[in-house]
Amino acid sequence: AQKITQTQPGMFVQEKEAVTLDCTYDTSDQSYGLFWYKQPSSGEMIFLIYQGSYDEQNATEGRYSLNFQKARKSANLVISASQLGDSAMYFCAMRGQAGTALIFGKGTTLSVSS
Amino acid sequence: DTEVTQTPKHLVMGMTNKKSLKCEQHMGHRAMYWYKQKAKKPPELMFVYSYEKLSINESVPSRFSPECPNSSLLNLHLHALQPEDSALYLCASSSGLINEKLFFGSGTQLSVL
Repeated sequence: AQKITQTQPGMFVQEKEAVTLDCTYDTSDQSYGLFWYKQPSSGEMIFLIYQGSYDEQNATEGRYSLNFQKARKSANLVISASQLGDSAMYFCAMRGQAGTALIFGKGTTLSVSS
Repeated sequence: DTEVTQTPKHLVMGMTNKKSLKCEQHMGHRAMYWYKQKAKKPPELMFVYSYEKLSINESVPSRFSPECPNSSLLNLHLHALQPEDSALYLCASSSGLINEKLFFGSGTQLSVL
């Protein structure tokens, strides 16, 4: 069985600061994918970044980077230079070897203040 | 076109009503999904269709009935729902490959009275 754990229910940060959102996972699959999605209050799920289990380099997408530590089974999202528009719920998710559906963690609510 | 379109955006229904949620994508994706999301909770998988066939049913009550008429369309038929079924229903699609993200629609906010 696969499991995603996000232990931070809420995080608070000021504009222009960097923030790390934690994610740990558990799986017996050798090949898997890790994803981060952002969900603003409007409800849409916005894809941010992807990391494959065999990728040797940490993924980066603009202000987003993924700190992937395979031995520790962690896939933390780092947002550099936070903006007010970053305030949202952030979900870590995993897709296993079967390549079917995403399984989500409980999410972290990020609040960015000026 | 990289969109997943869901209709309606909002739906209010009584417990004796029958209604349907619709989802459409034109990205040629072979996998389509229904998720249910309660407020401040993660999306929970309900159904997966792969090549128009139901491949996963996560023990969803029979008052929810999915249908995939063709590779672009996914429906969720609702009948005799309960107030606890009120939630955001998200449709998603993907190529099905392990490294491919899911594209999500904007969801249908359902209220059951």
